[in-house]
Parts: sequence; structure tokens; C-alpha cells
Amino acid sequence: TQLLKQSPQFLSIQEGENLTVYCNSSSVFSSLQWYRQEPGEGPVLLVTVVTGGEVKKLKRLTFQFGDARKDSSLHITAAQPGDTGLYLCAGAFYSNSGYALNFGKGTSLLVTP
Amino acid sequence: KAGVTQTPRYLIKTRGQQVTLSCSPISGHRSVSWYQQTPGQGLQFLFEYFSETQRNKGNFPGRFSGRQFSNSRSEMNVSTLELGDSALYLCASSSTGGSYNSPLHFGNGTRLTVT
Repeated sequence: TQLLKQSPQFLSIQEGENLTVYCNSSSVFSSLQWYRQEPGEGPVLLVTVVTGGEVKKLKRLTFQFGDARKDSSLHITAAQPGDTGLYLCAGAFYSNSGYALNFGKGTSLLVTP
Repeated sequence: KAGVTQTPRYLIKTRGQQVTLSCSPISGHRSVSWYQQTPGQGLQFLFEYFSETQRNKGNFPGRFSGRQFSNSRSEMNVSTLELGDSALYLCASSSTGGSYNSPLHFGNGTRLTVT
């Protein structure tokens, strides 16, 4: 089983602060995805990283895939209340059954004004 | 383009009963995956259907089953419900099966409570 550990589990910060959440595994993934899930809704894809060492930016969000493709980080600059939600990472790999995604348990972020 | 639609949104069942959940994918998407989300275990993969065939399966007991119709709509069935089956059940569709160039689009889920 390709396990993904996310840290921290919970994060409560004030508007304007910076934060980083981590997604770690002992397994290599062919790609890694980050999702955000708001209460009462399904996860929404933010970004997919494919190449080791890859960095992608989405406005104030910066995503990095580790060189060995085993870990990833999400950095948010100047967090806003609209960033509140559950951030999930998902590692993609190929098994005998085909393509599969394993999700971490998520980081629950609360940004207060 | 309409998103992934899951019905019903909420469901309350009694232990021992069975339940059927429905998922309508985005038009043109042929792959439908089902996930169970709980606070303790997070998102866990149940199974994936592509063109009416189960293509991939997670580690869930046989009480959990699914099917896909020719119009790509999918149903998930859970028989002999247990208290531990209480969860948010999410359906996700993609054009060819989630990959880096065929991402998953999730519905808003069905919240199942077993009493």
C-alpha cells in the first residue's frame, strides 16, 4: 500500500500569515495531485505535479514535488479566509489493476480574519 | 457543462438494511470512481468503472458493489449496513480514468448515516 502522510493535521492561522503543509511517503509516485475540499462539497483539483523537483504556482499557492517523487509541499503566502478548507494530496501509481490514486488524510486549514 | 451529480445528498438507514447511491458523471466522461471519506480514515478508494466494466477495486468487503450503465451513470450498493459504514461517499468522473492528463472531477457526495 502506498501510504501518504500529511502534516500538520490541523492548522489555524490569521489572515496574512504564510503556511506550508507537507505530504510525505516512502513510495515513489508517477504524479501527485493537490485538492481542496470545502464543507459540504467534493474535493476540487488544484494542481498536478509530474516531474521530480517541479514547482508550480497558482496565485498565492506554490506547489513543489520532491526530487525523488516521494513527497510534496504546498505553501500559501498571505493566507486569506477564502483559503479555509481541507487540503488533500493524492499520489498516483500504477498497479496490476491499473492506474490508482492514494489520498492522504488531509490538512484542515482555518484562516481567521 | 454540468458537473458530477450525486443523489441523494443525505441518507439515514438502519443497521442491516441496504442502500443504493447514484452518480451521474460529466457528459462525455467514461470513467467513474467511488470513494468513502471518514474523519478517521480519510478518502479511501472503493472501485472504478470504465465503459460498464469494473477496472479497479479497493480493499473493501463484498458488501460494497457497484455498476455502470451504458450512459456512464453509476450506482453503488451497500448491503447489510453496519454502523461503520457511516461516511461521505464521493463519486468522481474523468474522461479516461484519473491520470495526470485526465483529472478527477468529484461530486458533492452522499452523506450516509447508519443508526
